[in-house]
Amino acid sequence: AQSVTQLGSHVSVSEGALVLLRCNYSSSVPPYLFWYVQYPNQGLQLLLKYTSAATLVKGINGFEAEFKKSETSFHLTKPSAHMSDAAEYFCAVTRNTGFQKLVFGTGTRLLVSP
Amino acid sequence: NAGVTQTPKFRILKIGQSMTLQCTQDMNHNYMYWYRQDPGMGLKLIYYSVGAGITDKGEVPNGYNVSRSTTEDFPLRLELAAPSQTSVYFCASSYVVGAFNTEAFFGQGTRLTVV
Repeated sequence: AQSVTQLGSHVSVSEGALVLLRCNYSSSVPPYLFWYVQYPNQGLQLLLKYTSAATLVKGINGFEAEFKKSETSFHLTKPSAHMSDAAEYFCAVTRNTGFQKLVFGTGTRLLVSP
Repeated sequence: NAGVTQTPKFRILKIGQSMTLQCTQDMNHNYMYWYRQDPGMGLKLIYYSVGAGITDKGEVPNGYNVSRSTTEDFPLRLELAAPSQTSVYFCASSYVVGAFNTEAFFGQGTRLTVV
């Protein structure tokens, strides 16, 4: 079975500061990993995904994440936070072989202050 | 492109009432999913479908039913609404062939309150 753990239900940064949202996964088979963003009263939008190609994945809005197998991590980063980045972020995992079900973490709310 | 469309966006139900949450996608995706989102709990999978006529339970199926008569539609049925079913419901779809798997595309959600 797969699972993801997101450390920190809330992360606060100042505008212009580094954003780091943590995600650790557990999977008995090689995983596919995703980061989704949810703005208030909206559905989830894909930020980026890892599908066993490059370990450093670049996504939309300047976000990127690095797959580290040795650490079972897939942390999301952005060099400089913008006010518009304030949202809830979800890490998710699925298998890359056989039957596919997407399993989500509990989410991290990013707060950006001026 | 419409993507994944959910209706209604909001609904208030009385305890014991029934309703169907509608979901349709126009991307010819074979996989479809229903999730519920509760504060601090992330998204929990209720039911999923790998194709027309095939459905299976997810993590929290009790109190819900689904059907998948067409590729496009995946309605979620609540037979006897209970306050514990107050939540935001998301429908999603993805395309899976062997080891190839697109990301899941989500609808805008249905906010359901049971009173």
